[in-house]
Amino acid sequence: KQEVTQIPAALSVPEGENLVLNCSFTDSAIYNLQWFRQDPGKGLTSLLLIQSSQREQTSGRLNASLDKSSGRSTLYIAASQPGDSATYLCAVLGNQFYFGTGTSLTVIP
Amino acid sequence: GAVVSQHPSWVICKSGTSVKIECRSLDFQATTMFWYRQFPKQSLMLMATSNEGSKATYEQGVEKDKFLINHASLTLSTLTVTSAHPEDSSFYICSGEREGAGELFFGEGSRLTVL
Repeated sequence: KQEVTQIPAALSVPEGENLVLNCSFTDSAIYNLQWFRQDPGKGLTSLLLIQSSQREQTSGRLNASLDKSSGRSTLYIAASQPGDSATYLCAVLGNQFYFGTGTSLTVIP
Repeated sequence: GAVVSQHPSWVICKSGTSVKIECRSLDFQATTMFWYRQFPKQSLMLMATSNEGSKATYEQGVEKDKFLINHASLTLSTLTVTSAHPEDSSFYICSGEREGAGELFFGEGSRLTVL
């Protein structure tokens, strides 16, 4: 069974710093990987989708990479802002969708 | 990105009543919709997967007679919590998979409080 792990579980950084969130998965047979953010009491907002044939995707200050063979993805956030504070989840699509447990990010003004 | 509308956002009900939550894909067809439950500070727990026009597939431990799921069209799925009890109080979130895309879009979630 696919297992998706996100490390760290929580992260606090001062405003302006660049940061990296990690997502690892045990089964490399995936169709794609998707990164989401969730604000407290809200649903999930899709940030980036990386197809299995791709190595990275970029949107604004966000860059997500995918290394299928090693079972890893990273979400890079440049020049962090307080508004980036949220929980970030990754999900992989194999025979079904599998979610990580999330990284709670706090950006301190 | 595509939009999924979930309604209601908040609902408070008395124990023993039934509550219906709607999930609509507004600008795409969702051949598959998923219902999740989320406890505070925890990740999503998949409850069931529904495909348009067929019966939902429930995850182990989820009572299908308590959590009725209907996926009548490619843009609408409903979750009915029947005879709700305080332990059913939770945050329920739906998502739709855009047809053929393998990409998920989520609703805003519904906070259910059973008194």
